[in-house]
Amino acid sequence: KNEVEQSPQNLTAQEGEFITINCSYSVGISALHWLQQHPGGGIVSLFMLSSGKKKHGRLIATINIQEKHSSLHITASHPRDSAVYICAVRNNAGNMLTFGGGTRLMVKP
Amino acid sequence: DADVTQTPRNRITKTGKRIMLECSQTKGHDRMYWYRQDPGLGLQLIYYSFDVKDINKGEISDGYSVSRQAQAKFSLSLESAIPNQTALYFCATSDGIGYTFGSGTRLTVV
Repeated sequence: KNEVEQSPQNLTAQEGEFITINCSYSVGISALHWLQQHPGGGIVSLFMLSSGKKKHGRLIATINIQEKHSSLHITASHPRDSAVYICAVRNNAGNMLTFGGGTRLMVKP
Repeated sequence: DADVTQTPRNRITKTGKRIMLECSQTKGHDRMYWYRQDPGLGLQLIYYSFDVKDINKGEISDGYSVSRQAQAKFSLSLESAIPNQTALYFCATSDGIGYTFGSGTRLTVV
């Protein structure tokens, strides 16, 4: 079993829909990162969380440390949100990331 | 200029050839990492370095070597490339809290 599991693996939505991507992990962590990878390949950091909730524009990330679960929400989705979203957890020592397999999101106009 | 620059962006090489992927950063971070990404799989750690004199193997270091020439430069070498090393390679830096990734090098070994 992978230490970091994401669901769904693939997601297709219509423009304007509310989207949720889930991440569960089985190890102790010091923080959790949400990353975005566009079709061109580059990876951009969206959020870093150690507790609670963060919001940036239409993106919201939450984490429940007790349940070892995080969610990334996209409100009013747009075709430009189409990308692969990656969850990664930072170990307790704070020096390593373990990555989920990614969720491929396609938002249709 | 990008904070983390990888060169080349794309490379096609033949089996058995030696190839070097380069990474340079302007973030001033001590920690640098090389990852490999295969379709449908999470990024896997190849090597990492927390200092110019510190080099450590990651999960999948076999067939790879690295050199930390300076705080800002961390190179990955494939001594004798093989087709199953075809992948997308990422360099990343960290200050121990946040991470910054390069744009990736798409390597094809034929």
